[in-house]
Parts: sequence; C-alpha cells; structure tokens
Amino acid sequence: NAGVTQTPKFRVLKTGQSMTLLCAQDMNHEYMYWYRQDPGMGLRLIHYSVGEGTTAKGEVPDGYNVSRLKKQNFLLGLESAAPSQTSVYFCASTLGLTPQYFGPGTRLTVT
Amino acid sequence: DQQVKQNSPSLSVQEGRISILNCDYTNSMFDYFLWYKKYPAEGPTFLISISSIKDKNEDGRFTVFLNKSAKHLSLHIVPSQPGDSAVYFCAARPGGSNYKLTFGKGTLLTVNP
Repeated sequence: NAGVTQTPKFRVLKTGQSMTLLCAQDMNHEYMYWYRQDPGMGLRLIHYSVGEGTTAKGEVPDGYNVSRLKKQNFLLGLESAAPSQTSVYFCASTLGLTPQYFGPGTRLTVT
Repeated sequence: DQQVKQNSPSLSVQEGRISILNCDYTNSMFDYFLWYKKYPAEGPTFLISISSIKDKNEDGRFTVFLNKSAKHLSLHIVPSQPGDSAVYFCAARPGGSNYKLTFGKGTLLTVNP
C-alpha cells in the first residue's frame, strides 16, 4: 500500500512550456485534490474531484487544468507555464469522512 | 478573506514544556477541524481532528480544544520533543459532500533541546 504518490518529484520548466503532474492513490478513495504551497500562504486548493470523471475548481484554478479518467489517478496540467506557477504542488485524497492523505509533493520551478 | 487564521508564524519552546498552537476561523459552516504536521520536503501528515460536537479530543501527547463560541481552536503538545519541530497547519471543512479543506498559513514550531 503506497498511499498517495506523485510524479515527478522535481521539475524545471521554461516560461511557456507545458507539463502534467500525476497523482496516484491505491486506497480506493473517491475524493482527490490538488494544492499548491507557497511561502507564507499555506495550502491553497487548485482543483478537486469528487469521483471518477468529475472535476471542479478550487480557490486558485487559473492556469491549470485537471482530469480524472481513472479513479486512482488525478492529473494536473499546466498548458503554458508562468513564473507565478513556481511552487510546491501537493495531491491529497480521502474517502470522505476520513482526513485527507497527502502525497510527498512536486517542486516546480518556472524560469 | 482568510477563513482560517494562524496568527503566529512561529513558536519556540523548550523540550519537555507545553507547546500551544492557536487557530481562529470565521466561517460558521465549518464543522470539522484538523491539524496537520509538515516536515521540510515532505507532504503534510494528519495529526489530530475534532468534530464541532466536541470541545476536546486527545491522542497521546496531542490534545485539540475547540471553543465554538469564540471560533477558536488550539493544539496542545505535552511534553514537547525536538522531533515535534515542524510546520503545523490548522484546517477546517464545512458539512457537505465535497469534503474540501481550508487551511491556515501554518505555524513553525521549534522545540529546543
């Protein structure tokens, strides 16, 4: 049982490049979430999903897209990266009434 | 509008003493509160939670207190240990079906040997 895993762990992008972050969970959780963490800002919700095939916007969705084609995977895409998207990205999942369990994070730098 | 506030960015305590981390919230719809602990270069890990129908929940050295009338909760760590040094996030969620969490900005706890 690996819990929540994130790929890649680190990435450096140039402005305008695109990339996809992958989150996978093996706990059969319905709900999945993408957050970003910036210094002094806490964790802010980007997008979330309440089940396979569904997605919804969080607090800071601009510049990101997501997909949940399979229950165990939640993908976060950056179509045209900007320096403001330099951050640490965390994925989390939950059954619902249980706490959210977080992945180890992806550190993204956009130059 | 910051719905969950942790007004102390940092806290330093001596090993063996009590650590008290505070959190205030403004949204009356929040009915479940959680504390997460985060070490550098790792994801947040769940520590302890409390439902709005309770005013106290205890788990070993960790106790969370909830004062609904003041919209305030606190995390007590007794006794504090150097391994407790981390960033602590307070989080809250309303009743409902999407289980979204709103996080505070975190408090960096340093426990000195």
